Amino acid sequence: DTGVSQNPRHKITKRGQNVTFRCDPISEHNRLYWYRQTLGQGPEFLTYFQNEAQLEKSRLLSDRFSAERPKGSFSTLEIQRTEQGDSAMYLCASSLRTEWGGYTFGSGTRLTVV
Amino acid sequence: AQSVSQHNHHVILSEAASLELGCNYSYGGTVNLFWYVQYPGQHLQLLLKYFSGDPLVKGIKGFEAEFIKSKFSFNLRKPSVQWSDTAEYFCAGRGGSQGNLIFGKGTKLSVKP
Repeated sequence: DTGVSQNPRHKITKRGQNVTFRCDPISEHNRLYWYRQTLGQGPEFLTYFQNEAQLEKSRLLSDRFSAERPKGSFSTLEIQRTEQGDSAMYLCASSLRTEWGGYTFGSGTRLTVV
Repeated sequence: AQSVSQHNHHVILSEAASLELGCNYSYGGTVNLFWYVQYPGQHLQLLLKYFSGDPLVKGIKGFEAEFIKSKFSFNLRKPSVQWSDTAEYFCAGRGGSQGNLIFGKGTKLSVKP
């Protein structure tokens, strides 16, 4: 499978715990995006990497959130001290630098904070 | 402020009916518009995109969209829907210089066989 892979598919955690999600983009894609989608809403932009550099962060990305993309390959999104409001689907997408907007999305990680 | 709005939350059609889903955008600068589709249990997929040129854009699976600058609209159309078109449809626009997109809230389409 050469698509965007996200793990885990589902995560249930207790409030206050830390969680980490992983995204493996299409190997030749140098751009990687994280989005969050809550029920009844479209995806909301969180952050963006070009290769290993994190070039843009949304105001939605509070200081409890951190994302990395070491070596410009896979990326991780960590949420510290989770809150119930963090419950959402976290989507990863990747694209080529020249392929503006033509993302390939992963299937997402559904986070439930109890 | 940059925004994309979809006015229809849920549309129910019978097979062979014609489809038009509304999308309006509100932002200045370069206009790049997209329609994505999410079939049940699957990931978001790009249906079509508009960057410039011919305002009538054709996408996959018989879908098309028309960019009307004067109306700030980019409505999605299909002449005859099939049961397999049951999905959620998202309109999106360019959010910034780095490639992030602003999505509408989505329209759920249910096609009755």
